[in-house]
Amino acid sequence: EIVLTQSPGTLSLSPGERATLSCRASQSVSTNYLAWYQHKPGQAPRLLIYGASSRASGIADRFNGSGSGTDFTLTISRLEPEDFAVYYCQQYGSSPPYTFGQGTKLEIK
Amino acid sequence: QMQLQESGPGLVKPSETLSLTCNVSGGSIGTGSFYWGWIRQPPGTGLQWIGSIFYSGNTYYNPSLKSRVAMSVDTSKSQFSLKLSSVSAADSAVYYCARHRGSGGRYYMDVWGKGTTVTVSS
Repeated sequence: EIVLTQSPGTLSLSPGERATLSCRASQSVSTNYLAWYQHKPGQAPRLLIYGASSRASGIADRFNGSGSGTDFTLTISRLEPEDFAVYYCQQYGSSPPYTFGQGTKLEIK
Repeated sequence: QMQLQESGPGLVKPSETLSLTCNVSGGSIGTGSFYWGWIRQPPGTGLQWIGSIFYSGNTYYNPSLKSRVAMSVDTSKSQFSLKLSSVSAADSAVYYCARHRGSGGRYYMDVWGKGTTVTVSS
């Protein structure tokens, strides 16, 4: 089972700033099958990125995914007030179980 | 726009079976190449994938839960269900249903429900 470690646990930034979230895998993620989700309290999680760098339908272009192998990054270029949430990475490159990182909480500074 | 909605008891007694249903609206559960599955989040911890099912009945389960999990699908009602047997307090969590997109056993979740809280307690 692939373990995903996200860092930092909490990121405090101001609107307009750039956010960089990291997701590191315990072994290489096959074919960069890595997704990112945004989760706000009481809401359904929302898919942002799949295939490490492909933006899901309707996702703003300030959200960008990158990386390969064991190191992946989600970058939010200019934070909007609605971007403050918890972000999870998920790998689906190996046979089930699919695994998630423990999450990064992006909070307003 | 597709929507998923979880339903089921919010309180289950230890050793009993947890049963949840996910109702799918805005699209057909019986077409396409999607799997339909469940993910949970215990209090204060991260997300754990439970399993998924195709409309034909083919399933993938998390090996850590496989002995206690059963999933089913009812295309006529546009629903799929989760049963988790012999529950304990460790199974208390928010349970989410989600559509799984991908192929060849490799899926990410592109549509989620809002989740339902299940507490295991006597």
